Formats: sequence, structure tokens, C-alpha cells
Amino acid sequence: ETGVTQSPTHLIKTRGQQVTLRCSSQSGHNTVSWYQQALGQGPQFIFQYYREEENGRGNFPPRFSGLQFPNYSSELNVNALELDDSALYLCASSSAGPTTTDTQYFGPGTRLTVL
Amino acid sequence: AQTVTQSQPEMSVQEAETVTLSCTYDTSENNYYLFWYKQPPSRQMILVIRQEAYKQQNATENRFSVNFQKAAKSFSLKISDSQLGDTAMYFCAFMTQNSGTYKYIFGTGTRLKVLA
Repeated sequence: ETGVTQSPTHLIKTRGQQVTLRCSSQSGHNTVSWYQQALGQGPQFIFQYYREEENGRGNFPPRFSGLQFPNYSSELNVNALELDDSALYLCASSSAGPTTTDTQYFGPGTRLTVL
Repeated sequence: AQTVTQSQPEMSVQEAETVTLSCTYDTSENNYYLFWYKQPPSRQMILVIRQEAYKQQNATENRFSVNFQKAAKSFSLKISDSQLGDTAMYFCAFMTQNSGTYKYIFGTGTRLKVLA
């Protein structure tokens, strides 16, 4: 298993609510990416943070937002939840820099169900 | 738009045999990275192998190797001497980095089952 942890493991919300998912990066990693993986699909890139700043974003609306903290842990916030937001949310950490890339280590994911 | 296509939703292979998973991609970028990830049932996604587009030599990691055809935009994964533990979803992924901004695109995956 990788050193990336996510909480909670499972979460049930209703439409219109807001949710915060958390990720603790592997030690020494300064970059974190978040992905949405719908059932039976590949992960969809939401965004990436490097040293507390967003440095990449996929095709997700602004109600998907994130934070990265000085200790490199991070949060994914989703406002105004919709049924289609039901998915497995993965975070991945790496020691990539602004112009370099490195192996991403994935967490086990948070399963979000929106009713 | 950049896309990654995995045309084989499911595959099976006998233990100890060789199997090849296909992946094609579309991009106008010249510098990018390609990856194969493995997602075992109910377990975390892990990197199998990576390839930098500027390298002509195909990447190899033990029993795993790739056939990278840049002109054809093809990136297949060959698994030799298949083992039961290779049973998993395999995702092909593409990453670009442009002026410090990153973007990742994953394919829809190939479910591989290794048969005893």
C-alpha cells in the first residue's frame, strides 16, 4: 500500500449539500492531484496543487474546489451536490515540481453517494 | 481535444502466457508522458510503467514492457509470464505539462483476468 490516506472511506449526501473530502500525502510529496472515478470508468482529472497553488485543472465546474495546506495535506470541496457527483474520489501525491514530473501514488479513495 | 482510447474492455489470459493491452491517444503536443496503471479489485491504483514521449526506447519493468509508436500514437502494454496477481483493471494515461500547468487524461480501462 502507498502512504497516501483519504477520509472518509464512504460518504452519503443528498442533492444540494456540500461535501469536503480529505487527503494526506505521502511523506515528502509536495504535489497532490484529485480525480473522480465513476463506476466502470477511468479516473477523470479534477485538479492538481503544487505548494498550495492550483497548477492544473480538468473540465470540472467551479463548484469543485480544493485546498492544499503547508503540510501538503489537501481537501476537495464540492458544493451544490448533484446525483452525477456520485463516484469514487481519488487523490494522488507526488514530488513533482513546476516543470518536472514524478510517479503519482494513489490513495484508496472516498466513495461518495449522492441521493 | 486530447483523448485516450482503450478498445478492449475485457481480456483474459492463461497463467504464464503473454498478453498485450492496447492504447491509442490523440494529441497535438510533442512533449508528454504516458503511463499504465493497475487497479486491483478493491485496492489502490499503482503505477505499472511510464514512458516519456521524447525517449525512443521502449520502457521495460520486469515482466511489463511497452510498445510505444509515437507516429501512430499507440502505447500498448505487454505482460509476459502472466500471474494470477496481475488480475486487475489496467488504465492507460497521458499527461502533459505546459508552462507549469499539468493535465492528465485516463482511458476507460481494460479488465484483465488471469486464468489458472
